[in-house]
Parts: sequence; structure tokens; C-alpha cells
Amino acid sequence: AQSVAQPEDQVNVAEGNPLTVKCTYSVSGNPYLFWYVQYPNRGLQFLLKYITGDNLVKGSYGFEAEFNKSQTSFHLKKPSALVSDSALYFCAVRDGGGSYIPTFGRGTSLIVHP
Amino acid sequence: SAVISQKPSRDICQRGTSLTIQCQVDSQVTMMFWYRQQPGQSLTLIATANQGSEATYESGFVIDKFPISRPNLTFSTLTVSNMSPEDSSIYLCSVTNLAESYEQYFGPGTRLTVT
Repeated sequence: AQSVAQPEDQVNVAEGNPLTVKCTYSVSGNPYLFWYVQYPNRGLQFLLKYITGDNLVKGSYGFEAEFNKSQTSFHLKKPSALVSDSALYFCAVRDGGGSYIPTFGRGTSLIVHP
Repeated sequence: SAVISQKPSRDICQRGTSLTIQCQVDSQVTMMFWYRQQPGQSLTLIATANQGSEATYESGFVIDKFPISRPNLTFSTLTVSNMSPEDSSIYLCSVTNLAESYEQYFGPGTRLTVT
């Protein structure tokens, strides 16, 4: 079985400040982890992924995420937030040795204030 | 990455009618999925569209209500049959090409309102 939790419905941050959007997961085998972003009235866009290798992965628009195996976490981060980063963010996980179908979190709304 | 288009982008339909949503990908892909999403909420997987065979449906979704076709590696349709207001939602097509990567790519969605 696989599951993912995004504990925060909403994250508020001031423009220019660092941001973190939290994600924890549970899988039986090796985790394949993903972050997606959804801007208003748009489909989801792929941001970054962790499959294997370096625990710190970098993605689009200056975002990065750190895979922490001991804490089963994959938090999304950005050093300096922009107002245009305001969107809905989804974490997803799938078992690398199991189904090809990922499980999505419930989403976290990021609001960046000017 | 794959570029995905969906038709229609939105529609308003009457109760009891059916709507077919088309998903076209600009390249051949391994897997195609259909999701449902209430605005601002998470995604619910309806089914995996299998080329040349019956789709694989998730719990709570049945073929009679959501028939799916996938005649080739770049195209799929989802029909929402005998619609009720509870079917009002955003329907998203998604693809993965396992030969190249592990992530999914999503279409822009079809916003359906049933009156």
C-alpha cells in the first residue's frame, strides 16, 4: 500500500521569504516521489521528482525538494518566494517496485503575499 | 515532455445526457489516465485507459457510467453517461511514457457542469 500526506491545507508566506510545503509518504518498497503545481484554471504541471541518487533534487521555477528516508518526507522548498508562485501544490508517491499508478496528496494552497 | 489537448474545455449539460471528452497527445505514450477533480481539491483516479482493451477502473467507478476508449497510443476518450449534477467536476487526462520518464503530464482539463 502507498499513501501520502500533506498536513497543511494552506501555507502563507511573504514575497522574498523562503517557503516550505510539507509532504510525508508511506510505501512498501522504494519511493518514487513527485511534486506538481496547479495554477488557477489550469491542469497540473510537473515540478520535480526523486527516483534515486542525490537526496536534494532541483526542479522548475527555482523549486527544490529534499528526500529524507528516515523521516519519510519530501518537502518542497524555495529560497525566495514570488507572488506568481501562488498556486495549489500536490505531492505524489508510488512504489518503485509496484504499481505504475501514483497516489496524490490532498494538495496545499500556497499564498505568497506582496 | 508530452503536450496534451482536451476537448471540450468546458461544457454545460442537462441531466440524463452524455458527454464524450477527447484527449490527444503529441507523442506516443505508455499509459493514459482519467482523473476527476473538484475545484481546489485533490485528484481522484477514474481509470487507466488501456490500448486495444478494456480500461481498468478504480473502486467506485464502472464502465457503464464512464466508458473509455483508447484506440491507439496517442488518443483516448472518456464518456460521462446519464449525467447527474453530482458529475459536475473537472475531468483531467494524464499520460506517462515509461520508456522515457516516471512523471505524469496532464491535459488542461474539461470543466463539466450538469444542470
